[in-house]
Amino acid sequence: QSALTQPRSVSGSPGQSVTISCTGTSSDVGGYNYVSWYQQYPGKAPKLMIYDVSKRPSGVPDRFSGSKSGNTASLTISGLQADDEADYYCCSYAGSYSWVFGGGTKLTVL
Amino acid sequence: QVQLQESGPGLVKPSETLSLTCAVSGYSISSGYHWGWIRQPPGEGLEWIGNIYHSGSTYYNPSLKSRVTISVDTSKNQFSLKLTSVTAADTAIYYCARLRYGDIWWGQGTLVTVPS
Repeated sequence: QSALTQPRSVSGSPGQSVTISCTGTSSDVGGYNYVSWYQQYPGKAPKLMIYDVSKRPSGVPDRFSGSKSGNTASLTISGLQADDEADYYCCSYAGSYSWVFGGGTKLTVL
Repeated sequence: QVQLQESGPGLVKPSETLSLTCAVSGYSISSGYHWGWIRQPPGEGLEWIGNIYHSGSTYYNPSLKSRVTISVDTSKNQFSLKLTSVTAADTAIYYCARLRYGDIWWGQGTLVTVPS
């Protein structure tokens, strides 16, 4: 079970859009529509931002969107705001009641 | 709304056993879902440790399987983690969580330190 691959860091200016990729295999990301994304501030627990690839929980702004193509999932944040600056983690169901995470991406708002 | 709260020692000596408990409120463990543990070493990423179904069936990360035991006490609506033979590499924030295929609901986490 290998970690999903995310870029270590991404950045963007306020108002711009950024996309964070999450690459796995056909045994996890590509095999199930069960990718989720989490936002984590320093010292805080992760917060669910996207579930089931592209669904948004209540309270999450529609500036956050998710998608998947093959073995790669993506989180897009449009209209960047200063408080979007955080770490973002993807997670995929990997079968047999196991889950696998990405290594995390640090988003910097310039 | 489900709430999860971890408890246990914040400091464990090398070679000893790390033991944590997660108290669940707002939802009965017996009603379903998987309940598990995820850890995050300081400054690093998240690692799935394992989970348990209310029936008692357990599923563990292969990299930790030989050292991990997760159990459930439905009468107390809580579940527990035991990690044996700990080393400094096991120093991390340990989160308990409710896991569904497509999302995870997290506890606030508890830091466990194993001195080197």
